[in-house]
Amino acid sequence: ETGVTQSPTHLIKTRGQQVTLRCSSQSGHNTVSWYQQALGQGPQFIFQYYREEENGRGNFPPRFSGLQFPNYSSELNVNALELDDSALYLCASSLTGDSYNEQFFGPGTRLTVL
Amino acid sequence: DAKTTQPNSMESNEEEPVHLPCNHSTISGTDYIHWYRQLPSQGPEYVIHGLTSNVNNRMASLAIAEDRKSSTLILHRATLRDAAVYYCTVLRQGGKLIFGQGTELSVKP
Repeated sequence: ETGVTQSPTHLIKTRGQQVTLRCSSQSGHNTVSWYQQALGQGPQFIFQYYREEENGRGNFPPRFSGLQFPNYSSELNVNALELDDSALYLCASSLTGDSYNEQFFGPGTRLTVL
Repeated sequence: DAKTTQPNSMESNEEEPVHLPCNHSTISGTDYIHWYRQLPSQGPEYVIHGLTSNVNNRMASLAIAEDRKSSTLILHRATLRDAAVYYCTVLRQGGKLIFGQGTELSVKP
């Protein structure tokens, strides 16, 4: 059973640029959630995708957007990057979006915005 | 949003039990309590979850207060590999895991 994978592992961008982060969910999981984790903080929920539809969203501006594909892999897109977007971006997959299902996290993508 | 509050840090001796407390006083009736832990440079790892009753698994036990406003994660015999940041989270429908600051657990040999 393959776990959650994310790419790339590290990324450096400059302010104003756009970035796309990718996530492959664990086999059999149809739900993917994205989190942002600033240094020394707990992860903050960005949004969740269930069967290719957005199923919930946190307090992030519209320049944070996502996609889920038919194979349940997912992308996180961030436009007009700001310095404060520097963080570890985590993807988590779960069997469904129900609250009794545990989420399985990938190792994250470390984004640095200069 | 339901908020969780945990001590910033705790220390334990190896082979001894550890009780990690968490307050979640604004939890809603259908929210599940999940615990995760995170090692440096890794994503969080699921530990245990529950709704109302106490839960046990191979990693830990979860004791949930009768009013559900607090819970305690119990590691029965701490090992050096249990040193991590432990997050008490509340999970509501729509996948919104609400993380607090977490408790950094250090384990002394």
